[in-house]
Amino acid sequence: EVQLVESGGGLVQPGGSLRLSCAASGFSVNNYDMDWVRQITGESLEWVSGIRPGGETIYADSVKGRFTISRENGKNSVYLQMNTLRAGDTAVYYCARRNWNYGGAYDFWGQGTLVTVSS
Amino acid sequence: EIMLTQSPATLSLSPGERATLSCRASESVLNQLVWYQQKRGQAPRLLIYDVSNRATGIPARFSGSGSATDFTLTISSLEPEDFAVYYCQQRITWPLTFGQGTRLDIK
Repeated sequence: EVQLVESGGGLVQPGGSLRLSCAASGFSVNNYDMDWVRQITGESLEWVSGIRPGGETIYADSVKGRFTISRENGKNSVYLQMNTLRAGDTAVYYCARRNWNYGGAYDFWGQGTLVTVSS
Repeated sequence: EIMLTQSPATLSLSPGERATLSCRASESVLNQLVWYQQKRGQAPRLLIYDVSNRATGIPARFSGSGSATDFTLTISSLEPEDFAVYYCQQRITWPLTFGQGTRLDIK
C-alpha cells in the first residue's frame, strides 16, 4: 500500500529554519517525481518544489534560494529544508507523488504537516 | 504563470442533482488539466487527469470535458460524500498551478 507520511512541521520565528520529512512506503521515491505542495488555511494549493528521479530539482520563485528539496533513497524519504522563513510561508505542507500513468498528476498525497511562522 | 479561475466559488445543491464546475485557464493548457477533490481536514484526492480520464476507483458519475482554456467537471447525480472542495490544476508548464477551488455545499 502506498503511503506518504510528513513530519517536521511546527512553530518557528520569522527568519528561522525547519526541515520537513516525507517518509514513503509501498514504492521507491527515486522512481517518481516527488513534489511539495502547500496550502494556506482555507485557501488554495501552491506548488513549492519538486525532485525528479535523476535528481533534478525545481522551485517556485517564492521559495527559490530559501528552500532546498532533497531525497535519501536508503530511507525512501524526501525532505524540504526551509530557511529564512517568512509569515507568508505559514501553511500545511503536503508531500505528493506525481504518476505518469496519470499524466503526471498527483496520485498520492501525505496527510500534511503544519508550518507556522510567527513571533 | 498560468492562472486558473474556477467558477462558481460556491455551489449549493441537493443530493441527486447534477453539478457543473468550471475551470478557465489564462492560456491554453492543451489537455493537461487535472481535477482533485478535497474534504475538510484531508489531503486532495485525484479525480480526473488529462481533462477526461478518471483515476482508479473514481465513480462514473464524475466526468471531465473541455480543451485549451475552458474545462468542466460534471457530477451527474450528487451523493452525500461528494460535498467537498474541488480544485483544477494545470501541468503543462512550470510553475504548476491550481485554481482557487469551488466549494460544493449541501443545499
